[in-house]
Amino acid sequence: EADIYQTPRYLVIGTGKKITLECSQTMGHDKMYWYQQDPGMELHLIHYSYGVNSTEKGDLSSESTVSRIRTEHFPLTLESARPSHTSQYLCASSGPTGGAAGELFFGEGSRLTVL
Amino acid sequence: TQLLEQSPQFLSIQEGENLTVYCNSSSVFSSLQWYRQEPGEGPVLLVTVVTGGEVKKLKRLTFQFGDARKDSSLHITAAQPGDTGLYLCAGAGTNAGKSTFGDGTTLTVKP
Repeated sequence: EADIYQTPRYLVIGTGKKITLECSQTMGHDKMYWYQQDPGMELHLIHYSYGVNSTEKGDLSSESTVSRIRTEHFPLTLESARPSHTSQYLCASSGPTGGAAGELFFGEGSRLTVL
Repeated sequence: TQLLEQSPQFLSIQEGENLTVYCNSSSVFSSLQWYRQEPGEGPVLLVTVVTGGEVKKLKRLTFQFGDARKDSSLHITAAQPGDTGLYLCAGAGTNAGKSTFGDGTTLTVKP
């Protein structure tokens, strides 16, 4: 069973607010990811990290930023939210322990609505 | 960029019917995963296939990896309403740090 947690699960905020989506995993995985997904659609990688102090932009351009100060924690921040940021944000992790290459373990997601 | 195309995009069937979902690419993958996602939740890993031609069975679900490791299929026998969800395939390249996801197949199984 995967141990990766996201908070908040649901967030409704006004335009211009700063928000941080939290993601924590207790599996000791080196690699962590943030995906953006509209309902019933494909996942788009927006950020990833291969370890502490390592962060990279994903395939889909995003105005959000991430940090990786601790192995288990990979928060995503939007400095000024806009309605176009409304989406579901999924955090995932992967690692060599107990899993084959490419296997991702996902959190339950954070659904963000910007009014 | 490695692309994965899934077909069909939408599938609505009656309980008890069989179905097959396809995942195709022009790229070779070192491994391929299938995930199932329910509304409002994160994807959950179903299976990983690694070897060309590999077949894996998980109860009523049968997964196959193509001989050339470019494509895969998911076959469900006697579908049940609990199988309803979004099915996603994902391929890991030679640099397995990043996965490429397919565009998903939404399956609805009616009682």
